[in-house]
Amino acid sequence: DSGVTQTPKHLITATGQRVTLRCSPRSGDLSVYWYQQSLDQGLQFLIQYYNGEERAKGNILERFSAQQFPDLHSELNLSSLELGDSALYFCASSVALAGANTGELFFGEGSRLTVL
Amino acid sequence: AQTVTQSQPEMSVQEAETVTLSCTYDTSESDYYLFWYKQPPSRQMILVIRQEAYKQQNATENRFSVNFQKAAKSFSLKISDSQLGDAAMYFCAYGHQGGKLIFGQGTELSVKP
Repeated sequence: DSGVTQTPKHLITATGQRVTLRCSPRSGDLSVYWYQQSLDQGLQFLIQYYNGEERAKGNILERFSAQQFPDLHSELNLSSLELGDSALYFCASSVALAGANTGELFFGEGSRLTVL
Repeated sequence: AQTVTQSQPEMSVQEAETVTLSCTYDTSESDYYLFWYKQPPSRQMILVIRQEAYKQQNATENRFSVNFQKAAKSFSLKISDSQLGDAAMYFCAYGHQGGKLIFGQGTELSVKP
């Protein structure tokens, strides 16, 4: 158990709909990262938040947005869903503080999104 | 921009034998981390081993060891005494200054009994 909690584990929805994926980081971790893993693909970085602020952005679509709340949990919002958005969405967390960071990311179990 | 390349989409090893997975990366930084993550069929991402770039000594974790060649920007994973439970997708990853990790495309390892 990594200590990172993601909900829901599975989600099936239709094209054009909007969904929200939720992530609770490990206790004490200030950074949250979102990754997308499509079928038989590697992990593509979407976005990083650090203590409530956006820190880095990857190839995240404009239809996708995220935020990190004061209690450090994060949500990834996916809207106007398309078939190609079907994927496993991972949340990861880390301490991300100089001198305290081993560089390792701790991953949740992922949220599997199926768009029909 | 940093990149990570795994040139072996699939590898196979006989149980109890040794296998080496390859990874190369590109960066202009001198201080960074390298990782191997394992993703079994459950899809959970599990850290196998970590290497700090400033350390010349290769990291070892039980049956798992790395061959880190900084000048060549190469970071291979050796699995000794392979077990059926080692069958999984293995991802090489690069990280710098506590930021995001950049992953390779993965190597699917199968273990034959």
